[in-house]
Amino acid sequence: EVQLVESGGGLVQPGGSLRLSCAASGFIFTRYAMAWVRQASGKGLEWVSGISGSGGNTYYADSVKGRFTISRDNSKNMLYLQMNSLRAEDTAIYYCVGDYGDLEAFDFWGQGTMVTVS
Amino acid sequence: DVVMTQSPLSLPVTLGQPASISCRSSQSLVHSSGSTWLNWFQQRPGQSPRRLIYKVSNRDSGVPDRFSGSGSGTDFTLKISRVEAEDVGVYYCMQGTHWPLTFGGGTRVEIK
Repeated sequence: EVQLVESGGGLVQPGGSLRLSCAASGFIFTRYAMAWVRQASGKGLEWVSGISGSGGNTYYADSVKGRFTISRDNSKNMLYLQMNSLRAEDTAIYYCVGDYGDLEAFDFWGQGTMVTVS
Repeated sequence: DVVMTQSPLSLPVTLGQPASISCRSSQSLVHSSGSTWLNWFQQRPGQSPRRLIYKVSNRDSGVPDRFSGSGSGTDFTLKISRVEAEDVGVYYCMQGTHWPLTFGGGTRVEIK
C-alpha cells in the first residue's frame, strides 16, 4: 500500500525556520518525482516545490524561491522541505505528493502537516 | 502563469442527479509531447486531495465510473453522472503542462 507520512510541522515565529519530512513506503521511491503542495485554511491548493526521482532537478514556486529548499534521500525513502525566512502567508497544511512522471499529474498525496507562522 | 478558472464555485445537487464542473485555462494545455496534462482532484471534508482523473479523461483505479472527464485545448469538464452522498467535497482541476503548476480555485459540491 502506498503511504506518504509527513512530519515536522508546528508553530514558528516570522523569520524562523522549519524542516518538513515525508516518509514514503509501498512504492519504488526512486521512480517517482515528488512535490510539496500547500493549502491555507479554507483556501485552495498551491504547488510549492518539486524534485525529480534522482534528486538532480528541483523546482520552486516564485513565492518560495530562495527561502525553501527541497531535497530527498533515496536511501531512506525520505523527502524534505527546508523552510527558512518564514512569513505569515506560509501558514498552511503542507502535503507531500508522489508523481510517476515529471510532476504533471500528482498521483498520490499524504495526509499533510500543519505549519503555522505567528 | 497559466490561470485555471473553475465554475461554478458552488454546486448544490440532488442525490441521483448529474453534476458538471467546468475548468478553463488561460492558454492551451497541449504539451510539446502531445499529451494534455489536465487533472481532476477530489477533496472530501477533512481529507487530503485524491486524484480522480488524469490527462483529461483517464479515470484512476478505484474511481467510480460515474466520474468522467472530457475536453481539449483550454476547455475541460468533469461530470458526475449520478451524484451520491460520498461525492460531497471540493473538486479541483490542475494543469501539469506549463511551469509553474497551477490549480483551479475549486468547486464545492453539496447535496441539496
